[in-house]
Amino acid sequence: SQTIHQWPATLVQPVGSPLSLECTVEGTSNPNLYWYRQAAGRGLQLLFYSVGIGQISSEVPQNLSASRPQDRQFILSSKKLLLSDSGFYLCASGGRSSYNSPLHFGNGTRLTVT
Amino acid sequence: DAKTTQPPSMDCAEGRAANLPCNHSTISGNEYVYWYRQIHSQGPQYIIHGLKNNETNEMASLIITEDRKSSTLILPHATLRDTAVYYCIVRGGYGGATNKLIFGTGTLLAVQP
Repeated sequence: SQTIHQWPATLVQPVGSPLSLECTVEGTSNPNLYWYRQAAGRGLQLLFYSVGIGQISSEVPQNLSASRPQDRQFILSSKKLLLSDSGFYLCASGGRSSYNSPLHFGNGTRLTVT
Repeated sequence: DAKTTQPPSMDCAEGRAANLPCNHSTISGNEYVYWYRQIHSQGPQYIIHGLKNNETNEMASLIITEDRKSSTLILPHATLRDTAVYYCIVRGGYGGATNKLIFGTGTLLAVQP
């Protein structure tokens, strides 16, 4: 079965500082990868998804970007963090081309921008 | 993806069955019903999914009505550790291989001792 690794688990960053969150996946190949964000007291919002190396689709306009340099590596970045970037960031992995295949989530990174 | 409607919260006594309803009246024929739960400060956990037939696994049972416009997730013997937000998601349809999951607001299930 798949394992999704995310780090760090918690992060406190000042406004205007850069951000890099990493997600790696074990136990599968050629997955679709996703970044979600959950603001405090809110639901999960899909930010980015990727169907392959170098292929990124953005769901919402924002201060963040994503990259997929390797098949099982997905990175979320920002050049200058805003207060509104605070939240719980989750990486998910799922099989391609199949709605009959669940997504699996990592344990998330809790980001606080001060 | 079709929208789903869930009650915002429910209570259940420990040891009893928890029955969580979900309405998805605009579901299309090739869309699956998925259930996830999120325990506080953790990532969502996959529970079960189905297309037309009822499904059962070690965690829960999924009952889908014959017209597929609603479903019920059943936790047969709820424990305190089942306290979580439960999300019912309709997923699938036409349009490519993105396989996205779009989360709604879910049902907060509180299991009472």
